[in-house]
Amino acid sequence: SAVISQKPSRDICQRGTSLTIQCQVDSQVTMMFWYRQQPGQSLTLIATANQGSEATYESGFVIDKFPISRPNLTFSTLTVSNMSPEDSSIYLCSVEEVQGARYNEQFFGPGTRLTVL
Amino acid sequence: GNSVTQMEGPVTLSEEAFLTINCTYTATGYPSLFWYVQYPGEGLQLLLKATKADDKGSNKGFEATYRKETTSFHLEKGSVQVSDSAVYFCALSDRAAGNKLTFGGGTRVLVKP
Repeated sequence: SAVISQKPSRDICQRGTSLTIQCQVDSQVTMMFWYRQQPGQSLTLIATANQGSEATYESGFVIDKFPISRPNLTFSTLTVSNMSPEDSSIYLCSVEEVQGARYNEQFFGPGTRLTVL
Repeated sequence: GNSVTQMEGPVTLSEEAFLTINCTYTATGYPSLFWYVQYPGEGLQLLLKATKADDKGSNKGFEATYRKETTSFHLEKGSVQVSDSAVYFCALSDRAAGNKLTFGGGTRVLVKP
């Protein structure tokens, strides 16, 4: 299975600033995703990071707030822009590996714990 | 659309007790089902999976059976340990929905010595 690392592991930021989170995978993968996990909540998909094209955002998430880059098949970044305390969450990237004809399996990074003051 | 419903926590147990976490789903297609576990301060790890009806996923003493007739995927463990304290997420992946993962709300389990 893919090994995924994220930087930073945690950060405390001031409102109005931006933070860029990096996700690095040890192998080439087609599909990469970004999720948000608000305190005490489940995971919500933010967007699919597409290599060579613009990310595909889920309902309620926009590119101006969460710009995503995917320059190659092993790396992606998520920026949380103009932060407010409501953005305090764990942000996780995941990658998908094809396991067979019926399903794909997603593996998750360790997450970035963001606190906005 | 697809959805996953799991029992709310927290669930507090004594060591060696039996654990059940209920999970039911709705899906437009024929989904694959997963249980993920999140230990304190860590990311998600895949615990077990099942890809078709009547499949039983198992790992680390945990089991779950894909029940198409009741659209359920309940997680069970016969004898829990303190180290099983974590948040457990039921999830489904549906090719008809582009293989996106849909998560349940998570169930926090606390095992006391």
